[in-house]
Amino acid sequence: AQSVTQPDIHITVSEGASLELRCNYSYGATPYLFWYVQSPGQGLQLLLKYFSGDTLVQGIKGFEAEFKRSQSSFNLRKPSVHWSDAAEYFCAVGSNTGNQFYFGTGTSLTVIP
Amino acid sequence: KAGVTQTPRYLIKTRGQQVTLSCSPISGHRSVSWYQQTPGQGLQFLFEYFSETQRNKGNFPGRFSGRQFSNSRSEMNVSTLELGDSALYLCASSSGFRMGYSGNTIYFGEGSWLTVV
Repeated sequence: AQSVTQPDIHITVSEGASLELRCNYSYGATPYLFWYVQSPGQGLQLLLKYFSGDTLVQGIKGFEAEFKRSQSSFNLRKPSVHWSDAAEYFCAVGSNTGNQFYFGTGTSLTVIP
Repeated sequence: KAGVTQTPRYLIKTRGQQVTLSCSPISGHRSVSWYQQTPGQGLQFLFEYFSETQRNKGNFPGRFSGRQFSNSRSEMNVSTLELGDSALYLCASSSGFRMGYSGNTIYFGEGSWLTVV
């Protein structure tokens, strides 16, 4: 069965510091992987997605993620965090059986000045 | 291009009542899916509709139902509301192509906040 694990419930970083959010997935076939961000009271905004090809994916707002099949991971990174990046981040794996996502439990990011 | 529109944004209902939430997808999108988000359970898939047909269904009781109209707009209904149904209900819209199609992008609405008292 498909599943996604985000080991870190909450992360605090200083503004300007680098960021890495972890995501591990379980999926029998080629995974379709996504990172979404959710600001308080808002819906989900797509940061980036991986379907195939280059394992390093660039997204919006300066985010990138690297797909590592051997580790079943799809970690999200940003070289320099801005205060506006404070939000909840969700990793998801997509199923080909209809457009269905399996979401991780999310990582809450706090950015301190 | 207008995004995914969900109405109402906020509502309060009493236990035992029923509620209907609406979702208007992005123009041209034929697939609408629904998710429930709660602090305890996270984001859980409810169901997906494509061209007025339910294509996929999550593990929710029969009190949760949905439908899609010919213009791709979708509604979901929850009957006999329970306190545990309090949640943010998110709608997602896509072209409906299979997930791995490079041109398939899925957009979420801002959600409908349901409080059951």
